[in-house]
Amino acid sequence: NSKVIQTPRYLVKGQGQKAKMRCIPEKGHPVVFWYQQNKNNEFKFLINFQNQEVLQQIDMTEKRFSAECPSNSPCSLEIQSSEAGDSALYLCASTQGAGNTLYFGEGSRLIVV
Amino acid sequence: AQSVTQPDARVTVSEGASLQLRCKYSYSGTPYLFWYVQYPRQGLQLLLKYYSGDPVVQGVNGFEAEFSKSNSSFHLRKASVHWSDSAVYFCVLSANTNKVVFGTGTRLQVLP
Repeated sequence: NSKVIQTPRYLVKGQGQKAKMRCIPEKGHPVVFWYQQNKNNEFKFLINFQNQEVLQQIDMTEKRFSAECPSNSPCSLEIQSSEAGDSALYLCASTQGAGNTLYFGEGSRLIVV
Repeated sequence: AQSVTQPDARVTVSEGASLQLRCKYSYSGTPYLFWYVQYPRQGLQLLLKYYSGDPVVQGVNGFEAEFSKSNSSFHLRKASVHWSDSAVYFCVLSANTNKVVFGTGTRLQVLP
Protein backbone atom coordinates (compact mmCIF):
# COMPACT_ATOMS: atom_id res chain seq x y z
CA ASN A 1 0.00 0.00 0.00
CA SER A 2 1.16 3.49 -0.88
CA LYS A 3 2.51 5.71 1.85
CA VAL A 4 2.22 8.96 -0.07
CA ILE A 5 0.33 11.35 2.17
CA GLN A 6 -1.66 14.23 0.73
CA THR A 7 -3.41 16.96 2.66
CA PRO A 8 -6.02 18.28 2.73
CA ARG A 9 -8.39 15.78 1.13
CA TYR A 10 -10.81 18.57 0.16
CA LEU A 11 -10.44 22.27 -0.53
CA VAL A 12 -13.21 24.73 -1.30
CA LYS A 13 -12.03 28.10 -2.54
CA GLY A 14 -13.60 31.16 -4.07
CA GLN A 15 -12.38 32.44 -7.40
CA GLY A 16 -9.21 34.44 -6.93
CA GLN A 17 -8.31 32.76 -3.67
CA LYS A 18 -5.10 30.86 -3.01
CA ALA A 19 -5.23 27.10 -2.74
CA LYS A 20 -2.38 25.11 -1.25
CA MET A 21 -1.94 21.34 -1.16
CA ARG A 22 0.77 19.30 0.46
CA CYS A 23 2.36 15.95 -0.21
CA ILE A 24 4.73 13.77 1.75
CA PRO A 25 6.32 11.33 -0.71
CA GLU A 26 7.11 7.76 0.15
CA LYS A 27 10.35 7.44 2.09
CA GLY A 28 13.34 6.95 -0.18
CA HIS A 29 11.62 8.25 -3.29
CA PRO A 30 13.54 11.17 -4.77
CA VAL A 31 11.12 11.86 -7.65
CA VAL A 32 7.76 13.52 -7.06
CA PHE A 33 5.04 14.25 -9.61
CA TRP A 34 1.95 16.44 -9.45
CA TYR A 35 -0.99 15.67 -11.73
CA GLN A 36 -4.38 17.25 -12.21
CA GLN A 37 -7.18 14.75 -12.86
CA ASN A 38 -10.37 16.23 -14.29
CA LYS A 39 -13.88 14.86 -14.16
CA ASN A 40 -13.31 13.09 -17.49
CA ASN A 41 -10.46 11.11 -15.92
CA GLU A 42 -7.86 12.93 -17.98
CA PHE A 43 -4.51 13.39 -16.28
CA LYS A 44 -2.60 16.59 -16.84
CA PHE A 45 1.05 16.60 -15.83
CA LEU A 46 1.89 19.74 -13.87
CA ILE A 47 5.41 19.42 -12.52
CA ASN A 48 7.93 16.92 -11.24
CA PHE A 49 10.92 17.12 -8.97
CA GLN A 50 14.01 15.10 -8.34
CA ASN A 51 15.03 15.77 -4.78
CA GLN A 52 14.46 19.52 -4.52
CA GLU A 53 15.06 20.37 -8.16
CA VAL A 54 12.38 20.86 -10.82
CA LEU A 55 12.76 18.35 -13.64
CA GLN A 56 9.90 19.41 -15.90
CA GLN A 57 6.87 21.65 -15.66
CA ILE A 58 4.19 22.84 -18.02
CA ASP A 59 3.57 26.42 -19.01
CA MET A 60 0.41 26.64 -16.93
CA THR A 61 2.40 25.83 -13.86
CA GLU A 62 4.73 28.72 -14.50
CA LYS A 63 1.96 31.32 -14.39
CA ARG A 64 -0.52 30.74 -11.54
CA PHE A 65 0.82 27.53 -10.12
CA SER A 66 3.86 27.22 -7.93
CA ALA A 67 5.36 24.13 -6.38
CA GLU A 68 8.29 23.15 -4.27
CA CYS A 69 9.81 20.11 -2.60
CA PRO A 70 12.09 21.42 0.15
CA SER A 71 14.31 19.01 2.00
CA ASN A 72 12.87 17.74 5.27
CA SER A 73 9.48 19.32 4.56
CA PRO A 74 6.39 18.27 2.63
CA CYS A 75 6.20 19.06 -1.06
CA SER A 76 3.53 21.61 -1.91
CA LEU A 77 1.48 22.81 -4.86
CA GLU A 78 -0.11 26.24 -4.65
CA ILE A 79 -2.51 27.99 -6.98
CA GLN A 80 -2.08 31.71 -6.52
CA SER A 81 -5.47 32.77 -7.86
CA SER A 82 -7.97 29.95 -8.24
CA GLU A 83 -10.22 29.77 -11.28
CA ALA A 84 -13.31 27.64 -11.85
CA GLY A 85 -11.39 25.53 -14.35
CA ASP A 86 -8.94 24.54 -11.62
CA SER A 87 -11.60 22.41 -9.94
CA ALA A 88 -10.15 18.91 -10.08
CA LEU A 89 -8.44 16.16 -8.14
CA TYR A 90 -4.76 16.94 -7.60
CA LEU A 91 -2.66 13.83 -7.30
CA CYS A 92 0.84 13.58 -5.94
CA ALA A 93 2.93 10.55 -6.81
CA SER A 94 6.43 9.50 -5.92
CA THR A 95 8.87 7.01 -7.40
CA GLN A 96 12.42 5.81 -7.11
CA GLY A 97 13.10 7.01 -10.63
CA ALA A 98 12.33 6.73 -14.30
CA GLY A 99 10.52 3.54 -15.25
CA ASN A 100 9.77 2.59 -11.66
CA THR A 101 6.34 2.30 -10.13
CA LEU A 102 4.54 5.52 -9.32
CA TYR A 103 2.89 5.48 -5.92
CA PHE A 104 -0.04 7.83 -5.58
CA GLY A 105 -1.57 9.65 -2.67
CA GLU A 106 -5.32 9.83 -2.13
CA GLY A 107 -5.43 13.24 -3.76
CA SER A 108 -6.64 16.69 -2.82
CA ARG A 109 -9.96 17.58 -4.38
CA LEU A 110 -10.23 21.30 -5.14
CA ILE A 111 -13.60 22.88 -5.71
CA VAL A 112 -13.56 26.48 -6.88
CA VAL A 113 -16.90 28.22 -6.39
CA ALA B 1 5.69 10.17 -29.08
CA GLN B 2 4.22 7.86 -26.49
CA SER B 3 0.50 7.17 -26.19
CA VAL B 4 -1.88 4.82 -24.43
CA THR B 5 -5.34 3.95 -25.71
CA GLN B 6 -8.07 2.28 -23.72
CA PRO B 7 -10.76 1.79 -26.32
CA ASP B 8 -13.55 0.90 -23.91
CA ALA B 9 -14.75 3.78 -21.76
CA ARG B 10 -17.23 1.55 -19.94
CA VAL B 11 -17.48 -2.19 -19.41
CA THR B 12 -20.33 -3.95 -17.66
CA VAL B 13 -20.13 -7.57 -16.59
CA SER B 14 -22.02 -9.82 -14.23
CA GLU B 15 -20.47 -10.99 -10.99
CA GLY B 16 -18.55 -14.21 -11.54
CA ALA B 17 -17.97 -13.55 -15.22
CA SER B 18 -14.53 -13.23 -16.76
CA LEU B 19 -13.12 -9.84 -17.64
CA GLN B 20 -10.76 -8.33 -20.16
CA LEU B 21 -9.92 -4.63 -20.25
CA ARG B 22 -8.00 -3.56 -23.32
CA CYS B 23 -4.94 -1.37 -23.55
CA LYS B 24 -2.90 -0.46 -26.60
CA TYR B 25 0.28 1.55 -26.40
CA SER B 26 2.59 3.34 -28.77
CA TYR B 27 6.25 3.68 -27.86
CA SER B 28 9.40 3.03 -29.86
CA GLY B 29 11.49 2.00 -26.88
CA THR B 30 11.08 -0.60 -24.17
CA PRO B 31 7.89 0.23 -22.31
CA TYR B 32 7.29 0.00 -18.60
CA LEU B 33 3.59 -0.76 -18.33
CA PHE B 34 1.26 -0.60 -15.38
CA TRP B 35 -2.37 -1.12 -14.52
CA TYR B 36 -3.84 0.98 -11.73
CA VAL B 37 -7.31 0.96 -10.20
CA GLN B 38 -9.12 3.98 -8.78
CA TYR B 39 -12.01 3.55 -6.40
CA PRO B 40 -14.38 6.46 -5.79
CA ARG B 41 -12.80 9.37 -3.95
CA GLN B 42 -9.43 7.65 -3.77
CA GLY B 43 -6.06 7.82 -5.46
CA LEU B 44 -4.65 5.25 -7.87
CA GLN B 45 -3.61 1.87 -6.55
CA LEU B 46 -1.17 -0.38 -8.39
CA LEU B 47 -2.57 -3.67 -9.66
CA LEU B 48 0.45 -4.94 -11.57
CA LYS B 49 3.42 -3.93 -13.67
CA TYR B 50 5.48 -5.23 -16.56
CA TYR B 51 9.11 -4.46 -17.19
CA SER B 52 10.46 -7.49 -19.03
CA GLY B 53 10.49 -11.27 -19.00
CA ASP B 54 7.38 -13.43 -18.86
CA PRO B 55 4.71 -11.55 -20.82
CA VAL B 56 2.00 -12.66 -18.40
CA VAL B 57 2.25 -10.84 -15.11
CA GLN B 58 0.25 -11.55 -12.00
CA GLY B 59 -1.15 -8.81 -9.84
CA VAL B 60 -3.24 -8.34 -6.77
CA ASN B 61 -6.77 -9.66 -6.23
CA GLY B 62 -6.56 -12.23 -9.03
CA PHE B 63 -5.75 -9.79 -11.83
CA GLU B 64 -3.23 -10.58 -14.52
CA ALA B 65 -2.12 -8.87 -17.70
CA GLU B 66 -0.45 -10.02 -20.87
CA PHE B 67 2.13 -7.98 -22.71
CA SER B 68 2.32 -8.35 -26.48
CA LYS B 69 5.05 -6.51 -28.32
CA SER B 70 3.72 -7.54 -31.72
CA ASN B 71 0.27 -6.16 -30.92
CA SER B 72 1.50 -3.26 -28.77
CA SER B 73 -0.98 -4.33 -26.16
CA PHE B 74 -1.17 -4.89 -22.42
CA HIS B 75 -4.64 -6.25 -21.70
CA LEU B 76 -5.86 -6.81 -18.16
CA ARG B 77 -7.79 -9.97 -17.29
CA LYS B 78 -9.58 -11.54 -14.39
CA ALA B 79 -11.15 -14.98 -14.39
CA SER B 80 -14.07 -14.16 -12.10
CA VAL B 81 -15.03 -10.63 -11.09
CA HIS B 82 -16.55 -9.56 -7.80
CA TRP B 83 -18.88 -6.61 -7.21
CA SER B 84 -16.05 -4.91 -5.30
CA ASP B 85 -14.02 -4.76 -8.52
CA SER B 86 -16.30 -1.97 -9.74
CA ALA B 87 -13.94 0.97 -10.25
CA VAL B 88 -12.02 2.85 -12.93
CA TYR B 89 -8.97 1.10 -14.36
CA PHE B 90 -6.05 2.94 -15.92
CA CYS B 91 -3.34 1.60 -18.17
CA VAL B 92 -0.14 3.60 -17.76
CA LEU B 93 3.09 3.72 -19.73
CA SER B 94 6.34 4.98 -18.30
CA ALA B 95 9.23 5.84 -20.56
CA ASN B 96 12.77 5.80 -19.29
CA THR B 97 12.81 9.59 -19.15
CA ASN B 98 10.45 10.25 -16.25
CA LYS B 99 7.64 10.75 -18.75
CA VAL B 100 4.41 9.00 -17.79
CA VAL B 101 1.42 8.58 -20.08
CA PHE B 102 -2.03 7.64 -18.81
CA GLY B 103 -4.86 6.00 -20.67
CA THR B 104 -8.28 7.61 -20.36
CA GLY B 105 -9.52 4.83 -18.13
CA THR B 106 -12.17 2.13 -18.34
CA ARG B 107 -15.05 2.30 -15.90
CA LEU B 108 -15.96 -1.22 -14.82
CA GLN B 109 -19.40 -1.95 -13.45
CA VAL B 110 -20.00 -5.39 -11.97
CA LEU B 111 -23.66 -6.34 -11.73
CA PRO B 112 -24.75 -8.53 -8.83
